[in-house]
Amino acid sequence: GQNIDQPTEMTATEGAIVQINCTYQTSGFNGLFWYQQHAGEAPTFLSYNVLDGLEEKGRFSSFLSRSKGYSYLLLKELQMKDSASYLCAALDSNYQLIWGAGTKLIIKP
Amino acid sequence: GAVVSQHPSWVICKSGTSVKIECRSLDFQATTMFWYRQFPKQSLMLMATSNEGSKATYEQGVEKDKFLINHASLTLSTLTVTSAHPEDSSFYICSARGLAEPYEQYFGPGTRLTVT
Repeated sequence: GQNIDQPTEMTATEGAIVQINCTYQTSGFNGLFWYQQHAGEAPTFLSYNVLDGLEEKGRFSSFLSRSKGYSYLLLKELQMKDSASYLCAALDSNYQLIWGAGTKLIIKP
Repeated sequence: GAVVSQHPSWVICKSGTSVKIECRSLDFQATTMFWYRQFPKQSLMLMATSNEGSKATYEQGVEKDKFLINHASLTLSTLTVTSAHPEDSSFYICSARGLAEPYEQYFGPGTRLTVT
């Protein structure tokens, strides 16, 4: 079956760094997305990885290891507005998105 | 970037009535749109995949006669919740898939439905 695993909840301090891990098992693989979702709002796109390695985009970076079925989202210089749920989603062989349950990130002052 | 709109953004209706939610891709043509439902503090749940000009594909456990989906054009898909009940109260979100790889999904802002 297809499965995405990510932690349910994480807590971090303002100004610090946090890494949110995601492991996936899919029928075929065409890339890995990270989305951010604030409470009561729709998800917004953060990143896409299809090749191994690290993609950096400002304070956010995303890493992919296809051989390990593993990705992480790295958030630096955390701000209070980064408090949100972070959704990991893998694109399978049919280009269907398989969603993780999301990681709720709580930022404390 | 691609923009997807949803209307209405929130709706309150009485039990037994029907509600239609529209999803539009504003600056691109979307052959495929998706409808999701999300209950409070829960993850996104895919309800159905909507393809322009053909019948929607529903996920297991989603009643196709209750949640009517019409994808009449390349920029519009509608979800009609028929004979709504309080348990249908939820956050409904649509997304449209891009036309080129990686086929990123662009989300609408969501519609909050409350059935009284």
